[in-house]
Amino acid sequence: EDQVTQSPEALRLQEGESSSLNCSYTVSGLRGLFWYRQDPGKGPEFLFTLYSAGEEKEKERLKATLTKKESFLHITAPKPEDSATYLCAVQAGGAQKLVFGQGTRLTINP
Amino acid sequence: NAGVTQTPKFRVLKTGQSMTLLCAQDMNHEYMYWYRQDPGMGLRLIHYSVGEGTTAKGEVPDGYNVSRLKKQNFLLGLESAAPSQTSVYFCASKRDSYNEQFFGPGTRLTVL
Repeated sequence: EDQVTQSPEALRLQEGESSSLNCSYTVSGLRGLFWYRQDPGKGPEFLFTLYSAGEEKEKERLKATLTKKESFLHITAPKPEDSATYLCAVQAGGAQKLVFGQGTRLTINP
Repeated sequence: NAGVTQTPKFRVLKTGQSMTLLCAQDMNHEYMYWYRQDPGMGLRLIHYSVGEGTTAKGEVPDGYNVSRLKKQNFLLGLESAAPSQTSVYFCASKRDSYNEQFFGPGTRLTVL
């Protein structure tokens, strides 16, 4: 069974304090790993797709990396507006659906 | 482009009542999905569609039905609502098999 586990559940940082969020997965043939951001009361917003181990993608203060067993979302010098829940999801080969982790709730204090 | 829209935004039902949630997308996407999101449970797939006229069960399909009569619309029905169906419902769509899903703003449903 495909599974996604995100850690930590919640993370509180000071503005400018860099850190990483973890997404561990088990999947039968990874087709893609997806990162989303979700603000309170809104739908998830797409951030990145990673397809193979060693791949990296960046957007502003965020960088996503992928290994064969996990993905990291690195946040560099975060700002309060980066506060959100970050969701990780995997798509298995041959499947047309995503399996989501439970998310990491990130709070950046000014 | 409006993207993915959902109607209604909020709804309160009594146990046993029925309702239909509407999802519409204007991106000509083939695939559409219905999820529910509950505290501590994450996003769970209810039903999905890989094209007009097709539907398939997801992880938690019991108590729900869906229809995809038009490519741009995906309807989620609750025939006899139960308090356990109190949740936030999200619709999503994607262009093809390899792309990311785009989500709607959600419908907050309370069943009393």
